[in-house]
This record gives sequence, structure tokens and C-alpha cells, in this order.
Amino acid sequence: EAGVTQFPSHSVIEKGQTVTLRCDPISGHDNLYWYRRVMGKEIKFLLHFVKESKQDESGMPNNRFLAERTGGTYSTLKVQPAELEDSGVYFCASSQDIGQIYGYTFGSGTRLTVV
Amino acid sequence: EDQVTQSPEALRLQEGESSSLNCSYTVSGLRGLFWYRQDPGKGPEFLFTLYSAGEEKEKERLKATLTKKESFLHITAPKPEDSATYLCAVQRNSGNTPLVFGKGTRLSVIA
Repeated sequence: EAGVTQFPSHSVIEKGQTVTLRCDPISGHDNLYWYRRVMGKEIKFLLHFVKESKQDESGMPNNRFLAERTGGTYSTLKVQPAELEDSGVYFCASSQDIGQIYGYTFGSGTRLTVV
Repeated sequence: EDQVTQSPEALRLQEGESSSLNCSYTVSGLRGLFWYRQDPGKGPEFLFTLYSAGEEKEKERLKATLTKKESFLHITAPKPEDSATYLCAVQRNSGNTPLVFGKGTRLSVIA
């Protein structure tokens, strides 16, 4: 079974530019989550999709971040315009249930550096 | 606000030297406490979910325990391949709420 795939694995962009991160969840997983870890801090929740609907976007830092999940399959997270404080590692996770029995399966993350 | 504190931040062990990692938490109604392992450049890898005080789970050299205020991850006779960052997270018992993570404990096991 293929895991959660994220790309790019690394992205370096200048302040003010736009970046789009992509996540392909495990096939059949209705729940898709985005998390972020900034340097020195803990991993923090950004938002949660159930199929194509946003279930919870309480962790989105501001309106420069836009997440979509077309057709309930892959998801994209766009940052526009990027700021220095957006640097960090963005993780995507998916689960079939609410994640308790088998946990959430995480991707390897996208390391975003804004310079 | 839900909170997870892990200690120590870093731990260096000799191969075979058993020890424990601590995860203290505050949450208004615990649905589950999760332990993950994270290797450099990788995402967190699921280890265990604990649901109620007194519960224990084991996997190879790892054993996780849970009380009403904290969880311990015991590592028995560790090997160098156990070196990783161990993350603790809690989920509140209210709908499908997100995981709240601690900062992790960075474990190094020296041969």
C-alpha cells in the first residue's frame, strides 16, 4: 500500500512569492490533515478535510493560506504571498477512521524556506 | 487549552541502557494519547494509542503506559536503531478534534 506522498520535498522561495504544496493521501482515506512544524516548536494543526469538505480550519494562521481538496482525493496548500515566518516543515496526514486504531499516517513533509 | 509537555528534550543512552521518556498532558476529556517515532527527514510514524489510565502497550523494546496526567515510553535495552525523535500527542474527546503534539524527545543510542 502506497503511503502518504508529499511534494515537493523541499522548496526555497523569496518573500512575497507563491508556493503550492501537494499531498496525495492513502487511497480510500476520507480524512486528510495538514500540520506544520516551525523551527523549535511543536507540530501544530492547520486544517482537516473529510472528503472534499473542510471539517476544521481553525489552525490556519491567516488568509494567505488556502487549502483545497479536489474531488476528495489529493489536496493542495497554497501560501500567497509567502512571509518569512511561514518557513517550516508542512506535514500531511490521512486516516480512514478518526485515527485512533491505526493512528494517522503522515507523509515525509515539505520543508519550506522563505528567504 | 490542551497542552503536552515532553521531557527530557534530548537523551543519550548507551546501547542496552534502559530508560523512560515522559509526556505530561492536560486535556479536557482525553480520547486518546498517541506516541509517534520520527526519523530525520521523515514524517511521524505511528507507534501506539492509549485510551485510559492504567493501559499499557508494547512493541518490541518499547512499552507505553498511561496515567491521568502523564504517559511514559519505556525503552528496554535500546539499540542504535532506536535513535529517533519520539513524539507524544493527545486528542480531545469531542468530535474529530486534531492532535495536539509535544515538542518531542530526541533519543540517541550509542553503540
